[in-house]
Amino acid sequence: AQSVTQPDIHITVSEGASLELRCNYSYGATPYLFWYVQSPGQGLQLLLKYFSGDTLVQGIKGFEAEFKRSQSSFNLRKPSVHWSDAAEYFCAVGARGNNDMRFGAGTRLTVKP
Amino acid sequence: KAGVTQTPRYLIKTRGQQVTLSCSPISGHRSVSWYQQTPGQGLQFLFEYFSETQRNKGNFPGRFSGRQFSNSRSEMNVSTLELGDSALYLCASSPTPLAGVREQFFGPGTRLTVL
Repeated sequence: AQSVTQPDIHITVSEGASLELRCNYSYGATPYLFWYVQSPGQGLQLLLKYFSGDTLVQGIKGFEAEFKRSQSSFNLRKPSVHWSDAAEYFCAVGARGNNDMRFGAGTRLTVKP
Repeated sequence: KAGVTQTPRYLIKTRGQQVTLSCSPISGHRSVSWYQQTPGQGLQFLFEYFSETQRNKGNFPGRFSGRQFSNSRSEMNVSTLELGDSALYLCASSPTPLAGVREQFFGPGTRLTVL
């Protein structure tokens, strides 16, 4: 079965600084990869997804992620963080043919003024 | 289009009781999945329904069950509640799958507290 590791439980960045959240996956075939964001008391909102093709994926809110097969990684990046980006971020991997999506433990992002 | 709706948003039950949670998917979506989110275990897949049939199931005891109706609305039921069942239960819907590619849209969740 597929699995996801998010090595960083909590990250603090200053507003305006760049951001990179790490995600490593394990899956025997070409994975479907997702990044979701969750604000307190809310459900999950899809930021971006990778199914195939271009390995650099653009998402909403200025986020992007790069799929690196050789490193089994799908790191999320943003060049300049805004205070409203403070939230919990989840990386997820999906298998072809079903909706059994496996999530990482999440990375909580704090943004300093 | 309206998003995924879940009712109720908050629920308090006592040990031994049972509970039913409801999810209405986005109009036109026929696949509904359920997840449990807890601080200790994170987000865990419960089960998926498509066309009123359970297609996939996570590693949860039989106390957790679900069903889907002909209008794609889904319910999940937890019987004989335990303290550890306190969690945020999230429902997600997907369009009819095409070549196995699916994107899930999540509802706001139902916060269940078991006392």
